[in-house]
Formats: sequence, C-alpha cells, structure tokens
Amino acid sequence: AQSVAQPEDQVNVAEGNPLTVKCTYSVSGNPYLFWYVQYPNRGLQFLLKYITGDNLVKGSYGFEAEFNKSQTSFHLKKPSALVSDSALYFCAVRATYQTGANNLFFGTGTRLTVIP
Amino acid sequence: KAGVTQTPRYLIKTRGQQVTLSCSPISGHRSVSWYQQTPGQGLQFLFEYFSETQRNKGNFPGRFSGRQFSNSRSEMNVSTLELGDSALYLCASSLGGQGAETQYFGPGTRLLVL
Repeated sequence: AQSVAQPEDQVNVAEGNPLTVKCTYSVSGNPYLFWYVQYPNRGLQFLLKYITGDNLVKGSYGFEAEFNKSQTSFHLKKPSALVSDSALYFCAVRATYQTGANNLFFGTGTRLTVIP
Repeated sequence: KAGVTQTPRYLIKTRGQQVTLSCSPISGHRSVSWYQQTPGQGLQFLFEYFSETQRNKGNFPGRFSGRQFSNSRSEMNVSTLELGDSALYLCASSLGGQGAETQYFGPGTRLLVL
C-alpha cells in the first residue's frame, strides 16, 4: 500500500523567513515523489518532483525539496517566504513499480500562511 | 500550449440526478486521470484513461464512470447523485502516464448536490 502523511495541517511563517512543509511517505520499493500547490478556486499546480539521483530537487518559484530515503521524507523548502506563497500544498507519491497505472496518492495537504 | 481545461466550472444538481463533466487535456497528452477533492477525504483517485481505455480505477462505486474519446478528451459521469458527491472534481493529463511523468491539473469542476 502507498500512503503520504503531511503531519501539519497549518504552517505559519513570517515573510522573508525560511519555510518548510513536511511530508513522509510509505511505499513498497522506490518512490516517485511530487509537490503540488493549490490556490483558492484553482486546480493543482506542479512544483517539483523526485525521480532518482540528487536528493535535493529544485522546482518552480524558488521551491526545493530534499529526499531522505532513510527517514522516508520529502520536505518542501524555500529560503525566503513570500506572502504570495500562501496556499495549500500537497505531497504525492507513486511507486516506481506501478507500471500501467498513473494514479498519485496524495497527502491531506498543508495550508501555508505567510505573514507580512 | 494551452493547459488542461474543464467544463463546466460550477454545477448545482439535486439528489438523484446525473451529471457529466468534461476534460480536455494538454495537446499531445494521451493519459487523463480524474480525482475527487473533498474537505473530509482529501484528494482521491477516481480513474485513468489512456487511448480510450480505462487503465486504472480507484475505490468508487459504479455510479462513477468515464470515457475517453479518440482526441483524448475525457468525460466523467455520475449517476444518481448523492449529497456526498459534492466535491471539486479535478482532471489531470500526462503524455503516456508511465513512470515519473508529471500530471498537469485542470482548474476543476465544483459540483454541489442539493
């Protein structure tokens, strides 16, 4: 079975401070890991993904994520938060063995609020 | 390139009715997946279509169905609507749906069942 946990429903951070949104996963074998962001009344926008190789993945809008296999984590980070980063963030996983099936398993989401 | 489009954006239906939602993928994408998003259950996978065939299905009742056309556009249908079907329905497209391909999401159709 595959699953994703986002332990924090809400994260508040001051503008200009670094931010971290946490994600841990459970999957048989190796994972493909994704981060998406959702703004109000919008669909999900792709931020970044981990496939293999370098554990630090860089994505859109200055976001990056660190893959840690031993801790089964894929935390999203940004060095300096902007008010416009305030949104709902989703972590998702798919098992690499899962051929012929394209579904992602999503976490419950973390609402990020950046305080001016 | 145009993104994934979904129509309609908003729908209000009553219990017992049926509804059809439409999704047009990014040009060249052949895989379309559908997800249901609710406050209580989060994002849940409904089904995926590739080359006009359902390739994968989530754990939803048979009232939820879909199809894909030769131009890769997809529709999903929900029959005998229940109050609990109120949700944001998202579709996502990708090239072929294999490996680590990124799924790109549309803006969603918000369905309210009264």
